[in-house]
Amino acid sequence: QKEVEQNSGPLSVPEGAIASLNCTYSDRGSQSFFWYRQYSGKSPELIMFIYSNGDKEDGRFTAQLNKASQYVSLLIRDSQPSDSATYLCAVNPYEDYGGSQGNLIFGKGTKLSVKP
Amino acid sequence: EPEVTQTPSHQVTQMGQEVILRCVPISNHLYFYWYRQILGQKVEFLVSFYNNEISEKSEIFDDQFSVERPDGSNFTLKIRSTKLEDSAMYFCASSQFRTYEQYFGPGTRLTVT
Repeated sequence: QKEVEQNSGPLSVPEGAIASLNCTYSDRGSQSFFWYRQYSGKSPELIMFIYSNGDKEDGRFTAQLNKASQYVSLLIRDSQPSDSATYLCAVNPYEDYGGSQGNLIFGKGTKLSVKP
Repeated sequence: EPEVTQTPSHQVTQMGQEVILRCVPISNHLYFYWYRQILGQKVEFLVSFYNNEISEKSEIFDDQFSVERPDGSNFTLKIRSTKLEDSAMYFCASSQFRTYEQYFGPGTRLTVT
């Protein structure tokens, strides 16, 4: 059973701080990793994707990938109250017979609360 | 900015009835997906569709479910005989290529009574 694990939180940070969100995955063959933000009652919104080991920065967001440790993280700098949401980690699974699959496996999400 | 659209936003139906959920993927995308999210639970994959056929499906996607691309823009999910446990948010998503980033529509909230 391919799994994506996240701490459910809530993670509470003060406004202006760095929020650090973590995710581990079970499928060693996975190649593509995504972070989505989901506000209550809304659909997942893609905020970052990363395919290679290392860091990828986009504005206030940095995704970090370590395939050897099967670990992907998201850092949010200068956190704002509007960043308060559930952050979903998602992974494309890999099948020996078919390679990387198109479907996404999601974690349960980490609820982030940014306090003014 | 192009986006995925879905209709209706909310569908209420009685158990045993058929429902069709509609989606318009982003126009230059080739891969289309349906996911569902039961209230308070994780997003779950149902099915992916490419080149007018199903490319992957999950265990949830049984004979009660079907997908279709009836024309060049719409992508539909049909549930033949709805059950109470089908109540969920259903999200359509699309991507340009198979393992590329997927963009989600706003969802259809399905309530089965």
